[in-house]
Amino acid sequence: DAKTTQPNSMESNEEEPVHLPCNHSTISGTDYIHWYRQLPSQGPEYVIHGLTSNVNNRMASLAIAEDRKSSTLILHRATLRDAAVYYCILNPSNYQLIWGAGTKLIIKP
Amino acid sequence: GAVVSQHPSWVICKSGTSVKIECRSLDFQATTMFWYRQFPKQSLMLMATSNEGSKATYEQGVEKDKFLINHASLTLSTLTVTSAHPEDSSFYICSASAAGVLWQYFGPGTRLTVT
Repeated sequence: DAKTTQPNSMESNEEEPVHLPCNHSTISGTDYIHWYRQLPSQGPEYVIHGLTSNVNNRMASLAIAEDRKSSTLILHRATLRDAAVYYCILNPSNYQLIWGAGTKLIIKP
Repeated sequence: GAVVSQHPSWVICKSGTSVKIECRSLDFQATTMFWYRQFPKQSLMLMATSNEGSKATYEQGVEKDKFLINHASLTLSTLTVTSAHPEDSSFYICSASAAGVLWQYFGPGTRLTVT
């Protein structure tokens, strides 16, 4: 399984945009890039996914590099409720997500 | 959006007893359900994958006789921890996928404490 590399933690101010990076240099052509987040003591929550093109939804945007070896999750206006661990995961299909350590996002009021 | 529930949300049991955790997809049919375990300050670890009406596929190192998984319908999967020991204390999370959907819906998790 292709692996991802994320910073252990990041801090951001409330109401400012947040860019969460993810490196996946060994990604294969069929791997989708998934992002999930997990709030403390809760199950994970799907955020967004993409294959090649940038994606937007009500929660976030996903910017995918042209060579697909990296991607960035963008929270346009972070709130305190966005404080969570964010996981970037590669998956050729909706099966057996392999979880890394993720990025702990800290939002400062 | 699709909702996955788990019951109970937390449970305390004595060593040697068995505990059953239910995972339900409330408003969609789950073709596949997954069971994860998460220890404090660690990431999720996949324990097993189950398809309705089939035997679960367990990950390497997970004892199938200790962690019994039943996926009897398209909306219900159960995980039974048999002869629980304190080292089985953990946060157990299920997820479900629907046909044609490329992501998983997660339950809120069940905190198991074995005393």
